[in-house]
Amino acid sequence: QSALTQEASVSGTVGQKVTLSCTGNSNNIGSYAVGWYQQNSHGAPKTVIFGNSLPSGIPDRFSGSKSGTTASLTISGLQPEDEADYYCSTWDYSLSAVVFGGGTKLTVL
Amino acid sequence: EVQLVESGGGLVQPGGSLRLSCAASGFTVSPNYMSWVRQAPGKGLEWVSVIYSGDTTYYADSVKGRFTISRDNSKNTLYLQMHSLRVEDTAVYYCARVGSTSRPGAFDIWGQGTMVTVSS
Repeated sequence: QSALTQEASVSGTVGQKVTLSCTGNSNNIGSYAVGWYQQNSHGAPKTVIFGNSLPSGIPDRFSGSKSGTTASLTISGLQPEDEADYYCSTWDYSLSAVVFGGGTKLTVL
Repeated sequence: EVQLVESGGGLVQPGGSLRLSCAASGFTVSPNYMSWVRQAPGKGLEWVSVIYSGDTTYYADSVKGRFTISRDNSKNTLYLQMHSLRVEDTAVYYCARVGSTSRPGAFDIWGQGTMVTVSS
């Protein structure tokens, strides 16, 4: 069982706005910034959001936010190429460890 | 170009050892926090270890006492020495850069991964 909780699957149509969530507690998300990663089939993870910032080369339809112990990744104007698995991570000071969510499979209908 | 390239994966018997390398280019490893993350076949991402700029290290409970993370600043390379390997260590191993010391659990750069298979 992962320390961070993500939806197992989310779907949306092209052009739609979708939001993925990542829920933790005060020891992790409540205290530290969160990273979001996109992983296509057979590929390495790619960072799409880093502490609510957009890395160079990532489309601005991706955005991140955090409220309390829940972080969110929003994709505005969903595109077919956004179909992938998405993971979140952060530091947990009580565990002295990086913790990941179990991942969300995003399907573009 | 900022890049991480892993190597050293392969097939090893249970109880065996293997050393993974991660060569960095476009930036210097030494002042950065660097980490190893693995992914078993069909599973999600699992954090393995991190090394801070001051050489402080942390490990996942599943590898503590068996794996050692280190770096060679002269070669700008990160390592993961793995001993007493188990079947459940079978995974693709990625190295990743922690993007900011104030965000110790968020990664900004990933390597392409190297496959480790533990099997008799």
